[in-house]
Formats: sequence, structure tokens, C-alpha cells
Amino acid sequence: DAKTTQPNSMESNEEEPVHLPCNHSTISGTDYIHWYRQLPSQGPEYVIHGLTSNVNNRMASLAIAEDRKSSTLILHRATLRDAAVYYCILRGQNTDKLIFGTGTRLQVFP
Amino acid sequence: NAGVTQTPKFQVLKTGQSMTLQCAQDMNHEYMSWYRQDPGMGLRLIHYSVGAGITDQGEVPNGYNVSRSTTEDFPLRLLSAAPSQTSVYFCASSVMGWNEKLFFGSGTQLSVL
Repeated sequence: DAKTTQPNSMESNEEEPVHLPCNHSTISGTDYIHWYRQLPSQGPEYVIHGLTSNVNNRMASLAIAEDRKSSTLILHRATLRDAAVYYCILRGQNTDKLIFGTGTRLQVFP
Repeated sequence: NAGVTQTPKFQVLKTGQSMTLQCAQDMNHEYMSWYRQDPGMGLRLIHYSVGAGITDQGEVPNGYNVSRSTTEDFPLRLLSAAPSQTSVYFCASSVMGWNEKLFFGSGTQLSVL
């Protein structure tokens, strides 16, 4: 199973951009990179996903390295409500077994 | 659409008791899965299903059984509860497809005494 590696925790100040990294060096050509986040005491929620090109939506942007071995979730202006655990996972031809791992805990300070 | 519905929200069991955690979705999703989350930890996959009649093991399947008789329902059975199974359990579903997003339920908090 393709695995991802994320830092355990990161900190940011409110209204600053946040770059959350994810390494996936064993990614296969068919694997999509998905990001989810889990707010305190809630179930995870979808944030964004992509295959090769950078992606933007109302919540965040996803920057994918040219070799696809890493990606970065970008929150353009962090708010206190963005404090959560962020998970990077791979989903593709051989990954029905979706492994979330421990994610990155983002703290946002006022 | 109700989305992914988990019941009950809270449950307390005694060691050795059995119970079933219910998960239902009304989005006609083929893919369904169960995760557990221990305090301060990430999500660990217990079992998953890619369609009715098809199930497979995840990272931590021991002590849990699943079945998928319908597209809508994916119950998780604890045959003989143990304190180590105290956790929050999340059910998730999606359309089959590599670029399809998962939808999660709100979770079941289980305590085994």
C-alpha cells in the first residue's frame, strides 16, 4: 500500500498562509492525492484532491510536485476555525484500503 | 439526503458483551469503510467493502466482523468486547473511483468497561 508521511504538528498565526507538506515517494501513476481534515470532536471532512496539476477550491489549494512524490496543502489565510488535524491519503488502482495515518495537527494562534 | 448515519452516538459495554454499530448511507455509494480513532491518535482502518457481498480487512480487523448484504448498510459487529476496543468509530462511504471523495459519519463513542 502506498504510504504518506506528514509532520506531526505545525503552527500558524491567524491570517497568515499555511503550507502543509505530505511526502508520498511510493505513489503510483494512478494514485490521486486526497486531503481531509478533522475538526475537534467531529468526523473527517474532505478538503481537496488532485492527480498531477495544481488544484484550487474555496477551502484550499493543492500544489503537487512535478515528480508527484510530494504535495502541499495551502491554506491562503488561516483562521481559528482551520485548527484541525489534516490528513493526506492516496487513492488509486491498488488503494481501496485507504490508510489515513496520524496526520498533521495544525494550531492557529490569534 | 441524510448522508452517512451512524447509530448509536454513545455506547457503554461491559467486557465480553457483544454489540453492533450501525452505519447507513443514502447516496448509493458502493464503497464503505469503518475506522477507529483512539484518543489523540489518527484513524485506523478496520474493514472496508467495495460493494454488496464484498468485504475485506483493513489495518486492525481483529475482534470485529462486518457484512454487506445491501448497498446502504455496513454494520460493524463486536463479538466479545474488550477494554482495548474503547474508541471512537467512524463510518465512511464514497462512490467507487480514485477521484471520489469520502463522506464520514459523525462517529460512535464506545466505552468498554
